[in-house]
Amino acid sequence: QKEVEQDPGPLSVPEGAIVSLNCTYSNSAFQYFMWYRQYSRKGPELLMYTYSSGNKEDGRFTAQVDKSSKYISLFIRDSQPSDSATYLCAMVGYGGSQGNLIFGKGTKLSVKP
Amino acid sequence: DTEVTQTPKHLVMGMTNKKSLKCEQHMGHRAMYWYKQKAKKPPELMFVYSYEKLSINESVPSRFSPECPNSSLLNLHLHALQPEDSALYLCASSQPGQGGETQYFGPGTRLLVL
Repeated sequence: QKEVEQDPGPLSVPEGAIVSLNCTYSNSAFQYFMWYRQYSRKGPELLMYTYSSGNKEDGRFTAQVDKSSKYISLFIRDSQPSDSATYLCAMVGYGGSQGNLIFGKGTKLSVKP
Repeated sequence: DTEVTQTPKHLVMGMTNKKSLKCEQHMGHRAMYWYKQKAKKPPELMFVYSYEKLSINESVPSRFSPECPNSSLLNLHLHALQPEDSALYLCASSQPGQGGETQYFGPGTRLLVL
């Protein structure tokens, strides 16, 4: 079993739809959870960062963490064509600079006008 | 300012060339990273520098040689690369401790080895 599982998609939705992206993980030592957005041929851009169970909202984006189920989600409301990108979940244990940031495989999202 | 800069943006090199990739951040972060990313794959960690000391080397071949001249700069020296080393090379930085394990990535250098 991989440490982090993420459905690679691709996921195609119409403009304005609510998008749900998910990752599951097996290592209970993970404490910090991140979502990155990566446009084609660009570096990953940090979207959301959480460290506790619950929801965190930033504009159209909501990150949700359920540590008891080892499950994280990213919701995108009112999706736009500019949201078309690959979304990577990532997580790390405490003191992560001495260890690896563990990525999911990424989900490729396409938002159609 | 959460910017990490990388130069060059693109690099084409032959298998006998020596080249260097450069990374810079001015966020005061004391951890810096090199990653390699192949198409349709997540980034793979290569090296970690923490307080200017190499703390992690993920069994990377010696044809890749990292260097951290100071807390803001990170270099990756390349020598005798193979075509399979063609990839996007990403630099990232973070602040150790303080719950700041969030890593900020640069735009990457797209490397093609001929």
